Amino acid sequence: GQQVMQIPQYQHVQEGEDFTTYCNSSTTLSNIQWYKQRPGGHPVFLIQLVKSGEVKKQKRLTFQFGEAKKNSSLHITATQTTDVGTYFCAALSYGGSQGNLIFGKGTKLSVKP
Amino acid sequence: AAGVIQSPRHLIKEKRETATLKCYPIPRHDTVYWYQQGPGQDPQFLISFYEKMQSDKGSIPDRFSAQQFSDYHSELNMSSLELGDSALYFCASSLVGVAGGVVQYFGPGTRLTVT
Repeated sequence: GQQVMQIPQYQHVQEGEDFTTYCNSSTTLSNIQWYKQRPGGHPVFLIQLVKSGEVKKQKRLTFQFGEAKKNSSLHITATQTTDVGTYFCAALSYGGSQGNLIFGKGTKLSVKP
Repeated sequence: AAGVIQSPRHLIKEKRETATLKCYPIPRHDTVYWYQQGPGQDPQFLISFYEKMQSDKGSIPDRFSAQQFSDYHSELNMSSLELGDSALYFCASSLVGVAGGVVQYFGPGTRLTVT
């Protein structure tokens, strides 16, 4: 079935270091979304990328969508302890009529002060 | 701004019992989704409803059923509960058809523990 691969599974960084998580699909994606889930919380929508090669920034977060629309990345510059959580990429499921999402396995980020 | 409401937030049931989870979507959202998230896992899509009609089905066991009511709230009914059903159950809602794609807004989740 349709899969979205996400790496790494875990990332431990020192506060101030950068962090990147990668998402890959074997098929072309119509768009890709990124969610953040804090420990004990629920997924919170961060951003959606639609266009080939699209780059979007939110403060210290930079999101990219590959030219072939098969991969995406989230980069955090100078991590802070508030960045702790699991970051999921998610793609629309093919054949789904109303946009149910296929999530990557997520990258769990821990930040050491 | 109003968010997705789920109740109860925590539920403890015994094996073979039944459970009903409720979801109240964001006002004017027309689509509701249910996800199951096991410990350390990613959310797995169960089922969705668009304008009160079932639209898509994912990995929902036959023991589970769901519906969306005239006021757009949705209920997930789970019968013959098994230990493996212990998980976080999220409801999400969206407004389909908005230009730019479908963004899902998740509720706080119901933590179901089956003992």
